[in-house]
Amino acid sequence: GQQVMQIPQYQHVQEGEDFTTYCNSSTTLSNIQWYKQRPGGHPVFLIQLVKSGEVKKQKRLTFQFGEAKKNSSLHITATQTTDVGTYFCAGDYKLSFGAGTTVTVRA
Amino acid sequence: DAGVIQSPRHEVTEMGQEVTLRCKPISGHNSLFWYRQTMMRGLELLIYFNNNVPIDDSGMPEDRFSAKMPNASFSTLKIQPSEPRDSAVYFCASRPDTDNSPLHFGNGTRLTVT
Repeated sequence: GQQVMQIPQYQHVQEGEDFTTYCNSSTTLSNIQWYKQRPGGHPVFLIQLVKSGEVKKQKRLTFQFGEAKKNSSLHITATQTTDVGTYFCAGDYKLSFGAGTTVTVRA
Repeated sequence: DAGVIQSPRHEVTEMGQEVTLRCKPISGHNSLFWYRQTMMRGLELLIYFNNNVPIDDSGMPEDRFSAKMPNASFSTLKIQPSEPRDSAVYFCASRPDTDNSPLHFGNGTRLTVT
């Protein structure tokens, strides 16, 4: 079955720096969704990508879907303490989630 | 809209006891998902329903786990008998019956089995 892998599993970032988390699928995806889970909270939908090579931005967050629709990335610029949490990607019709990238920020 | 409602928020039980987790999806959402989250295994899909019918239960760990959706506004996840390794946060999520629609998660039930 489809597997979604995320790297890195943990990301410790200095406030103000940029970082990128990656999502890779073993199969071609029809779409990919990104979610954010704050500590102690539940996953919250951020964005969905559908088209090959699609790029979407939400303020300091940039999401990209690979040309082959088997990978995706989330890039955060000028990290802030509000970015703390775990970022998940999810693909296919039954939304198999990756293990997530847990982000911590040092001020 | 009240969102997806799960109960209880916390459950502490002894090994061997039956545990029932409850979920009320958002009105009008035709798909309902049960996930389990642990540090070791991340967010795992256990089962999902579409129009109250179980579509894929391949994620259900073993026969001790069962899930039902008797109507469009209610679902249960039951563990009988419970074991300490079942300790986790269980999330219910729902979405409209369209392939590309996002999931709306409940606040989860934190289960501790001693």
